[in-house]
Amino acid sequence: GNSVTQMEGPVTLSEEAFLTINCTYTATGYPSLFWYVQYPGEGLQLLLKATKADDKGSNKGFEATYRKETTSFHLEKGSVQVSDSAVYFCALSERAGGGADGLTFGKGTHLIIQP
Amino acid sequence: ETGVTQSPTHLIKTRGQQVTLRCSSQSGHNTVSWYQQALGQGPQFIFQYYREEENGRGNFPPRFSGLQFPNYSSELNVNALELDDSALYLCASRSIGQGTTEAFFGQGTRLTVV
Repeated sequence: GNSVTQMEGPVTLSEEAFLTINCTYTATGYPSLFWYVQYPGEGLQLLLKATKADDKGSNKGFEATYRKETTSFHLEKGSVQVSDSAVYFCALSERAGGGADGLTFGKGTHLIIQP
Repeated sequence: ETGVTQSPTHLIKTRGQQVTLRCSSQSGHNTVSWYQQALGQGPQFIFQYYREEENGRGNFPPRFSGLQFPNYSSELNVNALELDDSALYLCASRSIGQGTTEAFFGQGTRLTVV
């Protein structure tokens, strides 16, 4: 079956540091890949996505590249802010937009940015 | 445009009881999915409803059931509650068809089974 593995947290960084959160996946087909963010007390928000190999998703200074050869979709940001503190989830779907099989999520990485 | 709303926000039930959680999908969306998020874990797919019929299901027992109504709102029903059912239940809506969109999530219902 499908699975997503992401680095465990918490990850603690100082403001303006460089961020990488690793994500690797296992899928039987050619999935779409997503990063979601969950702020305290809120639901999940889509941060970025990529639907095919070598696509780069980007949003709010975050970016991730769909690497089929390494089955990875690592999240990066050049300079983090305190407001980026949240839990980040890597996810996949076998069908573009999240088909009838739903989204498969990793366990989440708690990011803490200190001023 | 209204977002995805879920009710109630918090709920406490006793083991063996039944519970119904509700979700209003975002305007223009015709598909609703439900997820269970245990503490410290990622969400797990329960099932999806499209045009009032279940068209996808994760690894959850039959005591987890649902409905989708003509206005695309949805209910999640859980019978014979177990302690392990304690979790945050998330609803997500999206549009399938012309202009398929990504899933938009509600804030969730926190269910505690005692």
